[in-house]
Amino acid sequence: GQNIDQPTEMTATEGAIVQINCTYQTSGFNGLFWYQQHAGEAPTFLSYNVLDGLEEKGRFSSFLSRSKGYSYLLLKELQMKDSASYLCAVFDSNYQLIWGAGTKLIIKP
Amino acid sequence: GAGVSQSPRYKVAKRGQDVALRCDPISGHVSLFWYQQALGQGPEFLTYFQNEAQLDKSGLPSDRFFAERPEGSVSTLKIQRTQQEDSAVYLCASSLEGQIVYGQYFGPGTRLTVT
Repeated sequence: GQNIDQPTEMTATEGAIVQINCTYQTSGFNGLFWYQQHAGEAPTFLSYNVLDGLEEKGRFSSFLSRSKGYSYLLLKELQMKDSASYLCAVFDSNYQLIWGAGTKLIIKP
Repeated sequence: GAGVSQSPRYKVAKRGQDVALRCDPISGHVSLFWYQQALGQGPEFLTYFQNEAQLDKSGLPSDRFFAERPEGSVSTLKIQRTQQEDSAVYLCASSLEGQIVYGQYFGPGTRLTVT
């Protein structure tokens, strides 16, 4: 079956750095997305990786290793507004998005 | 509008009632997706349209669920004879054809509560 695993919850301190991991097992791979979702709101696009390596976009970076079925989202200089759920999603061979359950990130002052 | 809109934002239905959820995608977006999201979970794929054609409905949980997009823009997700297990947030997303690098743009969702 298809499976995406990410931690349920993480806590970090304002101004610090946090890394949210995602491992996946899917039927085919056509790219991996990270989305941010604030409580009661729609997911918003953060990043897309289809090749191995690190993609940096401001305070957020996303890494992919296709051979390991592994990705992480790195958030730097954490702000209180970064408190949200972070969802990992993979495009499978049929270009259907398979979603993880999300990691709830709690930022403390 | 600038984004994907959905209506109603909240819907309470008694078990057995039929409901219709509307999605207005971003103008010009060819692809439209419906997802079901339970509390504390990621979205679960329901169905996918390319223009007016429903190319994939493998995620619809039962024949009580029906979706349409007759003119290739607005879409409606209909649930007949609602059950308590249908309570969830229903998300609609749209994207440009061939522009997967930008991801899907999501609407605010419709929170359905079946009592």
